[in-house]
Amino acid sequence: EDQVTQSPEALRLQEGESSSLNCSYTVSGLRGLFWYRQDPGKGPEFLFTLYSAGEEKEKERLKATLTKKESFLHITAPKPEDSATYLCAVQAILTGGGNKLTFGTGTQLKVEL
Amino acid sequence: ETGVTQTPRHLVMGMTNKKSLKCEQHLGHNAMYWYKQSAKKPLELMFVYNFKEQTENNSVPSRFSPECPNSSHLFLHLHTLQPEDSALYLCASSQAGGFGNTIYFGEGSWLTVV
Repeated sequence: EDQVTQSPEALRLQEGESSSLNCSYTVSGLRGLFWYRQDPGKGPEFLFTLYSAGEEKEKERLKATLTKKESFLHITAPKPEDSATYLCAVQAILTGGGNKLTFGTGTQLKVEL
Repeated sequence: ETGVTQTPRHLVMGMTNKKSLKCEQHLGHNAMYWYKQSAKKPLELMFVYNFKEQTENNSVPSRFSPECPNSSHLFLHLHTLQPEDSALYLCASSQAGGFGNTIYFGEGSWLTVV
C-alpha cells in the first residue's frame, strides 16, 4: 500500500527566510509525485509533477526535487502570500482507468512579515 | 476560477435529509473523482469514474451514492448521513489512464451534518 509522510506538520517563517518541506514516500512503483498548494476553504491547486529521481522543477519562489525515497519543496525568500498548506501525493494507475493519488497530511506554512 | 465547478459551496443537513452535491468540469477530461477531506487527515479517495463508468469505490458507505451521467458531470447523493460525515468534499477530474495525468480539483463543498 502506498504511503506518504510529510514533515514538518506546521512551519512558521519570517519573510525572506528560506526553508524546505519534506515528503517521504513508499510506493510499489512511482508513476508520479505531485505537489499541491491548498488555501483555507479552497481546493488543492496543482504546482508540480515529478517522475524520476534527480528531477527538479521550479515556479517562482518554489523548487521541487525528487530522490528515490523523498521529495523536497524548497521555498526561497518566501512572502506572506506563500502561506498555505502544501500537499504531497504519489500516483498509482487504477486497473479500471483513471488515476489514484495517495496524499500526505500536508505542511501548514505561515510566512510572517 | 477553476475548470472544475462545485455546488453548493456550503451545505448543512440533518441526519434524515436527502441532498446532492454537484460537480461540472470544463477541461475536456474523461475521468472524475470524489475525495473527502477531514481535519487532520489526508485526502481520501471515495469514487472514480472513467468514461462515465465507476471504476473505484473505496469502501464508501452506501449512504453516499455517486452518479455520473456524462464525462463532464458528477453528483454525490447524500442520505441519512452521520455527524462524522461532516467534511470538505472535493470533486476532481483528469485525463484517464497514463501516468503523470494531473488531477485538477474544484473548490469543494463544505458539508455539516447536524
